Amino acid sequence: QQQVKQSPQSLIVQKGGIPIINCAYENTAFDYFPWYQQFPGKGPALLIAIRPDVSEKKEGRFTISFNKSAKQFSLHIMDSQPGDSATYFCAAIKAAGNKLTFGGGTRVLVKP
Amino acid sequence: EAQVTQNPRYLITVTGKKLTVTCSQNMNHEYMSWYRQDPGLGLRQIYYSMNVEVTDKGDVPEGYKVSRKEKRNFPLILESPSPNQTSLYFCASSFSGGRYEQYFGPGTRLTVT
Repeated sequence: QQQVKQSPQSLIVQKGGIPIINCAYENTAFDYFPWYQQFPGKGPALLIAIRPDVSEKKEGRFTISFNKSAKQFSLHIMDSQPGDSATYFCAAIKAAGNKLTFGGGTRVLVKP
Repeated sequence: EAQVTQNPRYLITVTGKKLTVTCSQNMNHEYMSWYRQDPGLGLRQIYYSMNVEVTDKGDVPEGYKVSRKEKRNFPLILESPSPNQTSLYFCASSFSGGRYEQYFGPGTRLTVT
Protein backbone atom coordinates (compact mmCIF):
# COMPACT_ATOMS: atom_id res chain seq x y z
CA GLN A 1 0.00 0.00 0.00
CA GLN A 2 1.67 3.18 -1.20
CA GLN A 3 1.24 6.00 1.27
CA VAL A 4 2.27 8.58 -1.33
CA LYS A 5 0.72 8.19 -4.77
CA GLN A 6 2.34 9.97 -7.70
CA SER A 7 1.07 10.60 -11.22
CA PRO A 8 1.66 10.44 -14.10
CA GLN A 9 4.35 7.79 -14.47
CA SER A 10 5.80 9.58 -17.47
CA LEU A 11 5.43 12.91 -19.21
CA ILE A 12 6.67 14.34 -22.51
CA VAL A 13 6.61 18.09 -23.15
CA GLN A 14 8.13 20.47 -25.64
CA LYS A 15 10.78 22.92 -24.53
CA GLY A 16 9.09 25.85 -22.78
CA GLY A 17 6.10 23.75 -21.71
CA ILE A 18 5.04 23.25 -18.08
CA PRO A 19 5.14 19.65 -16.90
CA ILE A 20 2.96 19.11 -13.84
CA ILE A 21 3.44 16.19 -11.46
CA ASN A 22 0.83 15.38 -8.86
CA CYS A 23 1.09 13.58 -5.54
CA ALA A 24 -1.46 12.57 -2.94
CA TYR A 25 -0.87 11.33 0.57
CA GLU A 26 -2.95 9.63 3.22
CA ASN A 27 -1.13 10.06 6.49
CA THR A 28 -1.87 13.44 8.08
CA ALA A 29 1.14 12.99 10.36
CA PHE A 30 3.42 13.83 7.44
CA ASP A 31 5.05 17.14 8.20
CA TYR A 32 7.43 17.87 5.35
CA PHE A 33 7.18 17.22 1.63
CA PRO A 34 10.39 17.23 -0.41
CA TRP A 35 10.84 16.63 -4.12
CA TYR A 36 13.86 14.80 -5.45
CA GLN A 37 15.31 14.92 -8.96
CA GLN A 38 17.21 11.97 -10.41
CA PHE A 39 19.26 11.99 -13.60
CA PRO A 40 20.11 8.71 -15.35
CA GLY A 41 22.94 6.87 -13.62
CA LYS A 42 22.83 9.14 -10.57
CA GLY A 43 21.29 9.09 -7.15
CA PRO A 44 18.29 11.31 -6.32
CA ALA A 45 19.06 14.84 -5.13
CA LEU A 46 16.84 17.22 -3.16
CA LEU A 47 15.20 19.77 -5.47
CA ILE A 48 12.72 21.69 -3.36
CA ALA A 49 10.63 21.07 -0.23
CA ILE A 50 7.52 22.48 1.44
CA ARG A 51 5.69 22.35 4.77
CA PRO A 52 1.89 21.89 4.86
CA ASP A 53 1.29 25.37 6.32
CA VAL A 54 2.55 26.93 3.07
CA SER A 55 0.37 26.83 -0.06
CA GLU A 56 3.08 27.56 -2.61
CA LYS A 57 6.87 27.70 -2.83
CA LYS A 58 9.05 28.74 -5.75
CA GLU A 59 12.71 28.11 -6.36
CA GLY A 60 13.86 29.27 -9.76
CA ARG A 61 11.69 27.57 -12.37
CA PHE A 62 10.36 24.98 -9.94
CA THR A 63 7.13 25.59 -8.02
CA ILE A 64 5.38 23.41 -5.45
CA SER A 65 1.66 23.89 -4.81
CA PHE A 66 0.19 22.40 -1.65
CA ASN A 67 -3.46 21.69 -0.82
CA LYS A 68 -3.62 20.54 2.79
CA SER A 69 -7.37 19.89 2.89
CA ALA A 70 -7.19 17.67 -0.19
CA LYS A 71 -3.91 16.08 0.96
CA GLN A 72 -2.38 16.77 -2.43
CA PHE A 73 0.69 18.57 -3.68
CA SER A 74 2.20 19.12 -7.09
CA LEU A 75 5.39 20.19 -8.84
CA HIS A 76 5.36 22.57 -11.79
CA ILE A 77 8.43 23.11 -13.96
CA MET A 78 8.08 26.51 -15.59
CA ASP A 79 9.71 27.17 -18.99
CA SER A 80 11.02 23.58 -19.06
CA GLN A 81 14.36 22.89 -20.71
CA PRO A 82 15.87 19.68 -22.15
CA GLY A 83 18.25 19.68 -19.16
CA ASP A 84 15.22 19.18 -16.89
CA SER A 85 14.69 15.71 -18.38
CA ALA A 86 14.93 13.45 -15.35
CA THR A 87 12.86 11.31 -13.00
CA TYR A 88 11.12 13.25 -10.26
CA PHE A 89 10.04 11.79 -6.94
CA CYS A 90 7.73 13.35 -4.40
CA ALA A 91 8.22 12.27 -0.82
CA ALA A 92 6.88 12.83 2.67
CA ILE A 93 8.29 12.57 6.16
CA LYS A 94 6.79 12.89 9.63
CA ALA A 95 8.07 15.44 12.11
CA ALA A 96 11.11 13.81 13.76
CA GLY A 97 10.45 10.87 11.48
CA ASN A 98 13.04 8.30 10.54
CA LYS A 99 12.24 7.71 6.93
CA LEU A 100 11.24 9.35 3.70
CA THR A 101 8.20 7.79 2.04
CA PHE A 102 8.53 8.17 -1.71
CA GLY A 103 6.01 8.27 -4.52
CA GLY A 104 6.50 5.98 -7.50
CA GLY A 105 8.34 8.55 -9.62
CA THR A 106 7.61 10.44 -12.85
CA ARG A 107 9.93 10.30 -15.82
CA VAL A 108 9.89 13.70 -17.55
CA LEU A 109 11.24 14.17 -21.07
CA VAL A 110 11.56 17.71 -22.41
CA LYS A 111 11.97 17.74 -26.18
CA PRO A 112 14.06 20.50 -27.79
CA GLU B 1 34.19 16.93 -1.91
CA ALA B 2 31.17 16.01 0.23
CA GLN B 3 29.81 12.73 -1.02
CA VAL B 4 28.32 9.32 -0.42
CA THR B 5 30.20 6.50 -2.14
CA GLN B 6 29.01 2.99 -2.88
CA ASN B 7 30.86 -0.06 -4.11
CA PRO B 8 30.51 -1.91 -6.32
CA ARG B 9 28.45 0.09 -8.81
CA TYR B 10 27.41 -3.02 -10.73
CA LEU B 11 27.23 -6.59 -9.53
CA ILE B 12 26.00 -9.80 -11.13
CA THR B 13 25.86 -12.78 -8.82
CA VAL B 14 24.16 -16.13 -8.39
CA THR B 15 21.46 -17.20 -5.99
CA GLY B 16 22.77 -17.93 -2.52
CA LYS B 17 26.22 -16.36 -2.81
CA LYS B 18 26.71 -13.92 0.06
CA LEU B 19 27.57 -10.37 -0.92
CA THR B 20 28.22 -7.00 0.70
CA VAL B 21 27.62 -3.56 -0.77
CA THR B 22 29.67 -0.91 0.96
CA CYS B 23 28.55 2.65 1.68
CA SER B 24 30.66 5.47 3.05
CA GLN B 25 29.97 9.18 3.67
CA ASN B 26 32.40 11.97 4.49
CA MET B 27 29.91 14.55 5.83
CA ASN B 28 29.87 13.41 9.47
CA HIS B 29 26.18 12.56 9.15
CA GLU B 30 24.52 10.71 12.01
CA TYR B 31 21.72 9.19 9.93
CA MET B 32 22.25 6.65 7.15
CA SER B 33 19.79 4.58 5.19
CA TRP B 34 19.51 1.98 2.44
CA TYR B 35 16.83 2.04 -0.27
CA ARG B 36 15.96 -0.13 -3.20
CA GLN B 37 14.50 1.38 -6.36
CA ASP B 38 12.15 -0.63 -8.54
CA PRO B 39 10.13 0.65 -11.53
CA GLY B 40 6.79 2.12 -10.49
CA LEU B 41 7.49 1.60 -6.79
CA GLY B 42 9.81 4.53 -6.19
CA LEU B 43 12.39 4.11 -3.46
CA ARG B 44 11.60 1.86 -0.54
CA GLN B 45 13.60 1.91 2.65
CA ILE B 46 15.38 -1.31 3.63
CA TYR B 47 17.19 -0.36 6.86
CA TYR B 48 18.28 2.82 8.55
CA SER B 49 20.70 3.84 11.27
CA MET B 50 20.33 6.77 13.61
CA ASN B 51 23.96 6.56 14.75
CA VAL B 52 26.78 4.12 15.48
CA GLU B 53 25.45 0.76 16.72
CA VAL B 54 21.82 1.94 16.27
CA THR B 55 19.99 0.33 13.37
CA ASP B 56 16.35 -0.44 12.61
CA LYS B 57 14.18 -2.00 9.92
CA GLY B 58 12.58 -0.01 7.17
CA ASP B 59 9.70 -1.12 4.95
CA VAL B 60 11.37 -4.02 3.13
CA PRO B 61 14.07 -5.53 5.42
CA GLU B 62 13.57 -9.23 4.62
CA GLY B 63 16.71 -10.86 3.21
CA TYR B 64 19.02 -8.00 4.20
CA LYS B 65 21.35 -7.20 7.08
CA VAL B 66 23.22 -4.06 8.03
CA SER B 67 25.77 -2.94 10.57
CA ARG B 68 27.02 0.45 11.75
CA LYS B 69 30.32 0.04 13.54
CA GLU B 70 31.72 3.40 12.40
CA LYS B 71 29.92 6.65 11.79
CA ARG B 72 31.00 6.94 8.16
CA ASN B 73 30.24 3.37 7.00
CA PHE B 74 26.97 1.50 6.60
CA PRO B 75 27.36 -1.76 4.64
CA LEU B 76 24.40 -3.71 3.25
CA ILE B 77 24.71 -7.49 3.48
CA LEU B 78 22.75 -10.06 1.49
CA GLU B 79 23.44 -13.38 3.18
CA SER B 80 21.68 -15.52 0.58
CA PRO B 81 20.63 -13.39 -2.40
CA SER B 82 17.60 -14.38 -4.42
CA PRO B 83 16.38 -13.20 -7.86
CA ASN B 84 13.70 -10.99 -6.26
CA GLN B 85 16.52 -8.91 -4.79
CA THR B 86 17.58 -7.86 -8.28
CA SER B 87 17.25 -4.09 -8.04
CA LEU B 88 18.97 -0.72 -7.93
CA TYR B 89 20.23 0.06 -4.44
CA PHE B 90 20.96 3.47 -2.95
CA CYS B 91 22.67 4.46 0.24
CA ALA B 92 21.80 7.87 1.72
CA SER B 93 22.87 9.97 4.67
CA SER B 94 21.78 13.13 6.48
CA PHE B 95 22.13 15.05 9.68
CA SER B 96 19.72 13.89 12.37
CA GLY B 97 17.88 17.19 12.40
CA GLY B 98 17.33 17.27 8.62
CA ARG B 99 16.26 13.84 7.56
CA TYR B 100 14.06 15.28 4.82
CA GLU B 101 17.26 16.25 3.02
CA GLN B 102 19.14 13.07 2.37
CA TYR B 103 22.27 12.82 0.28
CA PHE B 104 22.29 9.80 -1.99
CA GLY B 105 25.12 7.72 -3.35
CA PRO B 106 25.40 6.88 -7.07
CA GLY B 107 23.64 3.54 -6.75
CA THR B 108 24.53 -0.13 -7.08
CA ARG B 109 22.79 -2.17 -9.74
CA LEU B 110 22.51 -5.74 -8.52
CA THR B 111 21.45 -8.70 -10.66
CA VAL B 112 20.88 -12.08 -9.01
CA THR B 113 20.56 -15.00 -11.42
